[in-house]
Amino acid sequence: DSGVTQTPKHLITATGQRVTLRCSPRSGDLSVYWYQQSLDQGLQFLIQYYNGEERAKGNILERFSAQQFPDLHSELNLSSLELGDSALYFCASSVLAGGWGEQFFGPGTRLTVL
Amino acid sequence: SQQGEEDPQALSIQEGENATMNCSYKTSINNLQWYRQNSGRGLVHLILIRSNEREKHSGRLRVTLDTSKKSSSLLITASRAADTASYFCATDIQGGSEKLVFGKGTKLTVNP
Repeated sequence: DSGVTQTPKHLITATGQRVTLRCSPRSGDLSVYWYQQSLDQGLQFLIQYYNGEERAKGNILERFSAQQFPDLHSELNLSSLELGDSALYFCASSVLAGGWGEQFFGPGTRLTVL
Repeated sequence: SQQGEEDPQALSIQEGENATMNCSYKTSINNLQWYRQNSGRGLVHLILIRSNEREKHSGRLRVTLDTSKKSSSLLITASRAADTASYFCATDIQGGSEKLVFGKGTKLTVNP
């Protein structure tokens, strides 16, 4: 158990809809990272937040947004969903602000868009 | 294409044998990490090796890094059925855009 929690575990929705994925980092970790894992694209970094502020941005679509709240939990919002958004979405956390060291991954949310 | 690419894509061995996986990358890095993922689950960090290090050990794991060849290898000695998983290398690109870039992974099967 990494100490990172993600909800929900599974999500099934329709094209055009909007969903919110939630992540709670390990106790003491200020950085939260979001990743998307799909069969064709592999594991792609989406975005990082550190102590409430956006720190780094990866391959995140404009239809996707994220935020980190004062209690350090984070939410990833996916809107106008398309079939191709079906994937595993992982949240990870670390103590680091900058640089890329050890990250602790949550169990993931499996999103299915029908 | 991917910054880091693992080789082979799949590897099947018997329990007790050693498993070697390779990772090649394209641009200079600050560090390279290896992660393990059991089927459909979250990734688990195994080891981080910095660009100025050549070899690192952790238990049954041995990682080497050759920056001149832009490659790394992960050796798992005396493998066990519980080592069955996918293994990913992840690179932190020097002077590049801020992100950790994962390869597509090597799927290791250890047969009892």
